[in-house]
Amino acid sequence: AQTVTQSQPEMSVQEAETVTLSCTYDTSESDYYLFWYKQPPSRQMILVIRQEAYKQQNATENRFSVNFQKAAKSFSLKISDSQLGDAAMYFCAYRSASWLGGKLIFGQGTELSVKP
Amino acid sequence: NAGVTQTPKFQVLKTGQSMTLQCAQDMNHNSMYWYRQDPGMGLRLIYYSASEGTTDKGEVPNGYNVSRLNKREFSLRLESAAPSQTSVYFCASLWREATGELFFGEGSRLTVL
Repeated sequence: AQTVTQSQPEMSVQEAETVTLSCTYDTSESDYYLFWYKQPPSRQMILVIRQEAYKQQNATENRFSVNFQKAAKSFSLKISDSQLGDAAMYFCAYRSASWLGGKLIFGQGTELSVKP
Repeated sequence: NAGVTQTPKFQVLKTGQSMTLQCAQDMNHNSMYWYRQDPGMGLRLIYYSASEGTTDKGEVPNGYNVSRLNKREFSLRLESAAPSQTSVYFCASLWREATGELFFGEGSRLTVL
């Protein structure tokens, strides 16, 4: 069975600094998608970034970028120039490309705090 | 406003009581999901429905039932609530089949005493 592990329950970063959140996953499949979701105190789940496993190039969305290491099954999220609004719970998620209906498997989450 | 709507937002139950969480989406999505969120455990899939008329178990289906009433609505029922079912419940629909991006509701906080 596929699993997703986030080994950092909490992280802290100074405003304007850079922080990296870690995620590892376990799968025997070669075609899949990986995601980072953000959950602010409002509880709303917001998609931050997506990575297709068949793409070697790391995804980037403004200040958010990933380091995707397929062989190591690692998918870390880097937040540059951290802002107070980045404070939230971050979830890493996996989806097999072969799953009908696209169900996601989530990691345990990392609580990010941003210090002014 | 387009999106996923969950009701109720908050509910307190006594052990053994039953209740139904309602979810509706107006984006014409085929697939819908129910997750529960617990501290330190992330989001775990309870049930999902890949299309109207079909439902399948996720990781933690025990104690729950679901109904895909039509394409818009996907309800989650607790027949006999237990304290272990105290959680925040999220309904979601599949925004893009090709990539698996989910569109989430705002969550429902359920407390079972």
